[in-house]
Amino acid sequence: NAGVTQTPKFQVLKTGQSMTLQCAQDMNHNSMYWYRQDPGMGLRLIYYSASEGTTDKGEVPNGYNVSRLNKREFSLRLESAAPSQTSVYFCASSATRDTEAFFGQGTRLTVV
Amino acid sequence: GDSVTQMEGPVTLSEEAFLTINCTYTATGYPSLFWYVQYPGEGLQLLLKATKADDKGSNKGFEATYRKETTSFHLEKGSVQVSDSAVYFCALSDPYQGGSARQLTFGSGTQLTVLP
Repeated sequence: NAGVTQTPKFQVLKTGQSMTLQCAQDMNHNSMYWYRQDPGMGLRLIYYSASEGTTDKGEVPNGYNVSRLNKREFSLRLESAAPSQTSVYFCASSATRDTEAFFGQGTRLTVV
Repeated sequence: GDSVTQMEGPVTLSEEAFLTINCTYTATGYPSLFWYVQYPGEGLQLLLKATKADDKGSNKGFEATYRKETTSFHLEKGSVQVSDSAVYFCALSDPYQGGSARQLTFGSGTQLTVLP
């Protein structure tokens, strides 16, 4: 019953450091997504992967890169963290574009 | 582009009170509409959805009706419980965006606190 698993749950970075947020789903879903959640702004799509081997930019892709490693895993990389990237990051997956999206528990990232 | 506007919170109610959280949207096509709920420390969970005009989504005593004429999808519950305390997000999915992936556009969220 794992669903969508994100690691780590919390992280503090210094400005300029890099890190990768990991996401894995065990539901055999085709599509995976990365969102960021900021106070008063809801969730905004960073990148998505419609299927294994494809990735596309969402609404706020600047400063991020992604890798769809295989069907299960979709990672988000910050190459040079900035304070503006302080946020809660959510990974999600869905079987197809017409089915429910399932979300992970989130990663709370603070960049100082 | 598409957008979702939600009633600002926080909202504080007593147990058994009636709940309404307003949601209106702007979209180019005929989107699907959703309400997601986020309990403390957890990810978002789908609460209910509606895929076409006049559809009513319902789950756990919550209801919302897709009103195309007013571009609204207001969330209602007749009698809230303490366990309903959470953040509620209205969202839409535009069928003309995202190709084979579902892209969701979210409102800003409404924090609901229910007091015993």
